[in-house]
Amino acid sequence: EAGVAQSPRYKIIEKRQSVAFWCNPISGHATLYWYQQILGQGPKLLIQFQNNGVVDDSQLPKDRFSAERLKGVDSTLKIQPAKLEDSAVYLCASSLSPSPHRDRGGQETQYFGPGTRLLVL
Amino acid sequence: QKEVEQNSGPLSVPEGAIASLNCTYSDRGSQSFFWYRQYSGKSPELIMSIYSNGDKEDGRFTAQLNKASQYVSLLIRDSQPSDSATYLCAVNRIVGAGKSTFGDGTTLTVKP
Repeated sequence: EAGVAQSPRYKIIEKRQSVAFWCNPISGHATLYWYQQILGQGPKLLIQFQNNGVVDDSQLPKDRFSAERLKGVDSTLKIQPAKLEDSAVYLCASSLSPSPHRDRGGQETQYFGPGTRLLVL
Repeated sequence: QKEVEQNSGPLSVPEGAIASLNCTYSDRGSQSFFWYRQYSGKSPELIMSIYSNGDKEDGRFTAQLNKASQYVSLLIRDSQPSDSATYLCAVNRIVGAGKSTFGDGTTLTVKP
């Protein structure tokens, strides 16, 4: 079974530029998450989709960040314009059901992609 | 005060020893608790989940939960160099719902 795919793996941009990240979840996974992980910190949830609807975007900086999952499969996360403090790893994760976790190996386990490492200069 | 607090470490133990990782949380209504392992430059991987007070064992890993003290821990027995990683504690307020809050992780080094 293929895992969560993300691209690009690395991106370097200058502040005020825009950038987009792409995520393809595991086939059949209804729930998709975007996390931001700043160096030395734990992941912070930015947005959660259930199929193509938004479940939680309370921590998404909506003045500059946007995300969509139009057909309930792939998702894109965009930053426009980028700031220096947006430098981080952007992780995409997916799970079969709304619950992101359960016992390891269970249907609701959350699986992370390799992440996109963003550097804003 | 952070919602989920962990000692940043680094925690260093010799090979074969028991590694003890601790996590406290501030939301008394939290219901689900998880431990992730994250190797340097890699993504988090779920290794344990626990929902009820007490201990839960899975191989060399034991998770312990005390909701009254708002405390969850992870014990790794017979630590191996391959266990060297950052361990993230995550807390979910609602069982079955999506949003989790992560701690900043404890870095563990197991020395041969």
